[in-house]
Amino acid sequence: GAGVSQSPSNKVTEKGKDVELRCDPISGHTALYWYRQRLGQGLEFLIYFQGNSAPDKSGLPSDRFSAERTGESVSTLTIQRTQQEDSAVYLCASSSTGQVGEQYFGPGTRLTVT
Amino acid sequence: AQSVTQLDSQVPVFEEAPVELRCNYSSSVSVYLFWYVQYPNQGLQLLLKYLSGSTLVKGINGFEAEFNKSQTSFHLRKPSVHISDTAEYFCAVRGRLTGGGNKLTFGTGTQLKVEL
Repeated sequence: GAGVSQSPSNKVTEKGKDVELRCDPISGHTALYWYRQRLGQGLEFLIYFQGNSAPDKSGLPSDRFSAERTGESVSTLTIQRTQQEDSAVYLCASSSTGQVGEQYFGPGTRLTVT
Repeated sequence: AQSVTQLDSQVPVFEEAPVELRCNYSSSVSVYLFWYVQYPNQGLQLLLKYLSGSTLVKGINGFEAEFNKSQTSFHLRKPSVHISDTAEYFCAVRGRLTGGGNKLTFGTGTQLKVEL
C-alpha cells in the first residue's frame, strides 16, 4: 500500500514569506507527527495529532508555526514570516494505535529560506 | 519525560568489521526502546524495537540490540557491516504509560560510514 507522502519535496522561499507543507498519512493511521531535522542534528518534535483529541503542540518553536489536520487524513504545517533558521527538512510520520512505537515516515520536505 | 543520548555523532568502520552504536536513555518511568535508520535522501524506517521479554532483540538487516535496564542502555550491534549499512541511526524512547499514541523522543543520531 501507499506510504506517507509529503509535498513539496523541496521548497525555496524568501525570508518573510509564508509556506505551507503537506503530509498525506497512511490510510487508517490515527496518529500523525511533524518533526524538524536541521542539518547535522537529530529529530526535533513539533506537533502530534491523535484521532479527535486536541493536538500536542508542545514542540512548536514559536507562534509562527501552526498545523492542522482534517479528520484522520491530510495535515498541513504552516510557517508564517519564515526566517533563515527555519531552513531544515520537515518530516511527517503516521502510526496506528495497534503498533507500539512504530512510526512510518515520509521522505520529508527540504525547506530553504534565503 | 524522557531523553536519549547518542554520544557518537559519527562512526567510521571498514566493511565486514563489527560495529556498536551506543544509546543511553533517561526516564522516570519504564520505557519502550527503538532504533530507526535513515538511508541517504530517505525517510526514517524502524530497524528494531524492545517492548518486553528477552532483552536481546533482533531487527532487519542483521542488526540486534540489547536492553540493559541497570545501565539504561540500548546499544545497537552488527557483527559484520556492509557498504549498504551506511546511514544515520537514531535511538528513540517512549514511556510505557504514555497517555496515548506513539510520541517518541529521539536521540541526535549516529552517522555510520562503512568504508572498503
